[in-house]
Amino acid sequence: NAGVTQTPKFRVLKTGQSMTLLCAQDMNHEYMYWYRQDPGMGLRLIHYSVGEGTTAKGEVPDGYNVSRLKKQNFLLGLESAAPSQTSVYFCATVLGGNRNEQFFGPGTRLTVL
Amino acid sequence: GENVEQHPSTLSVQEGDSAVIKCTYSDSASNYFPWYKQELGKRPQLIIDIRSNVGEKKDQRIAVTLNKTAKHFSLHITETQPEDSAVYFCAASEEGGSEKLVFGKGTKLTVNP
Repeated sequence: NAGVTQTPKFRVLKTGQSMTLLCAQDMNHEYMYWYRQDPGMGLRLIHYSVGEGTTAKGEVPDGYNVSRLKKQNFLLGLESAAPSQTSVYFCATVLGGNRNEQFFGPGTRLTVL
Repeated sequence: GENVEQHPSTLSVQEGDSAVIKCTYSDSASNYFPWYKQELGKRPQLIIDIRSNVGEKKDQRIAVTLNKTAKHFSLHITETQPEDSAVYFCAASEEGGSEKLVFGKGTKLTVNP
């Protein structure tokens, strides 16, 4: 089992470009989350999903969109990238049903020039 | 919503000493408190967690204590080793059925040989 995977691992964008980050999981987990991690700021929740076909805003959703068309995939989109979106992005999943542990993907390092 | 404060932001100890990291939370409805360890360039990984119906939990050299009345919880690492050097994050659950976590800003622990 691959667990939680993220693609790409690294990406450099120019201001105004768009891109999509993919999170995939093979653990049949219900809940999925996108975080960004910046130095000294901890992990901040961007968007999350409580099941296939659902999405909701987290703490810092502006400038991002998400979709969860299939249970195993959670996509994070940047429509028009800005330098403030330079960060490391982590996806996480939770099984649900009183199993609370969040399992993290390996991260995507994004630089916006 | 939930707010989690974590102290100290950096902690340096000698190998073999104990290390204590403290967190406070704001929402008395929170009932799940995990601790994550993140090594440089890696993903956060769960090291121990505690639920609100338990006051203390131990796993070998690490322990977590919870004081619901004061709304704070602490991570204790005994007999520290150089491989304990990492950033540690505490988190508290948010109510609402989403299994969301709110993270502290992290503590960089350095264990000096």
